[in-house]
Amino acid sequence: EIVLTQSPGTLSLSPGERATLSCRASQSVNSNYLAWYQQKPGQAPRLIIHGASSRATGIPDRFSGSGSETDFTLTISSLEPEDSAVYYCQQYGSSWTFGQGTKVEIK
Amino acid sequence: QVHLVESGGGLVKPGGSLRLSCAASGFTFSDYYMGWIRQAPGKGLEWLSYIGGSGRVKYYADSMKGRLSISRDNPKNSLYLQLDSLRADDTAVYFCAKSRGGPYYFQHWGQGTLVTVSS
Repeated sequence: EIVLTQSPGTLSLSPGERATLSCRASQSVNSNYLAWYQQKPGQAPRLIIHGASSRATGIPDRFSGSGSETDFTLTISSLEPEDSAVYYCQQYGSSWTFGQGTKVEIK
Repeated sequence: QVHLVESGGGLVKPGGSLRLSCAASGFTFSDYYMGWIRQAPGKGLEWLSYIGGSGRVKYYADSMKGRLSISRDNPKNSLYLQLDSLRADDTAVYFCAKSRGGPYYFQHWGQGTLVTVSS
């Protein structure tokens, strides 16, 4: 099973700042089959990025994904208050596993 | 517009069983893989199971293998998850989700149904 480790656990930043979230896989992710989800309290997760770098429909362009093999990054270029959430990475190249999440707090 | 609505959650005693349902609308149900994911209180997401469009192909997480069974009724646009031999650590919100097509990422999610296992 591919284990995904996300860092940091919590990120506390001000509006307008850049957020960089990391997702590291225990082995190479086939075909860069890596997705990112945003989850706000009491809500279902929402797809943000798939295929490591493709934005899902309706996602603002301040969200971008990058990386390959075992190291992936979600970047929020300029934080908005509504970006406060927990972000999960998920690999779907070999079975399906999620990272433990990174909480983004807006100061 | 894709709409997924889970039901069937509730309070169940340890060792008991529960059948969760997910009503789907807004897309051609039989064309898509569907999955179940759960989230224990205050914890992260855990993939449980995936089923192909025809219902013939099924995948299960090792952590719950033997205690859950996924199925679907395409004419009724419905997805199901049978949970057996439930334990306290199965307490979670259970989400159904629609794939992009094949068994890939989860493109759309329902709001979830809470299962509480307690005596």
